Amino acid sequence: KAGVTQTPRYLIKTRGQQVTLSCSPISGHRSVSWYQQTPGQGLQFLFEYFSETQRNKGNFPGRFSGRQFSNSRSEMNVSTLELGDSALYLCASSLQPGYYGYTFGSGTRLTVV
Amino acid sequence: KNEVEQSPQNLTAQEGEFITINCSYSVGISALHWLQQHPGGGIVSLFMLSSGKKKHGRLIATINIQEKHSSLHITASHPRDSAVYICAVGTGNQFYFGTGTSLTVIP
Repeated sequence: KAGVTQTPRYLIKTRGQQVTLSCSPISGHRSVSWYQQTPGQGLQFLFEYFSETQRNKGNFPGRFSGRQFSNSRSEMNVSTLELGDSALYLCASSLQPGYYGYTFGSGTRLTVV
Repeated sequence: KNEVEQSPQNLTAQEGEFITINCSYSVGISALHWLQQHPGGGIVSLFMLSSGKKKHGRLIATINIQEKHSSLHITASHPRDSAVYICAVGTGNQFYFGTGTSLTVIP
């Protein structure tokens, strides 16, 4: 059974640009959550989607947004990139919300220059 | 104040040693997770706990809900256990992470 797939694996963007990251969950998983990992802040929760609806959101500015499609695939968008947005962005999928049985993807490493 | 505190931050052990990593949290939780992250970033979910104790191979995780404390134990440690171990708690609305424990097991 295929795992959680995140694309692209690596990305370099310039300050001020925007970026879209993709996450394909395990087949049958309808909940997708996103996380940011930086050396300074560690792992932080961004948001969670279930059945195309955002259920929960962490403490990030509005430049960070996401959506989920009917096939449960999710995208995360960051607009007006800042140097501090350089991080590893991870997504995880589960059958349903409630933080049970999560499977993580390998992440997208974003570098903002 | 961090909602999740882990100790120690760094741990070096000889192969075969018994290892304990501790996690304390300050929020009401629906579940606590132990995650393992190897160099390169990939994260593996080791355990999800809401009470008691779970065992998987050489790994044991316990949680004390009243004391808001969890421990991850590794018996007969092996160099392949070298990784960062992260404690995470889900509250139902949010997900909080510890800063991780970097474990190095020396042959």
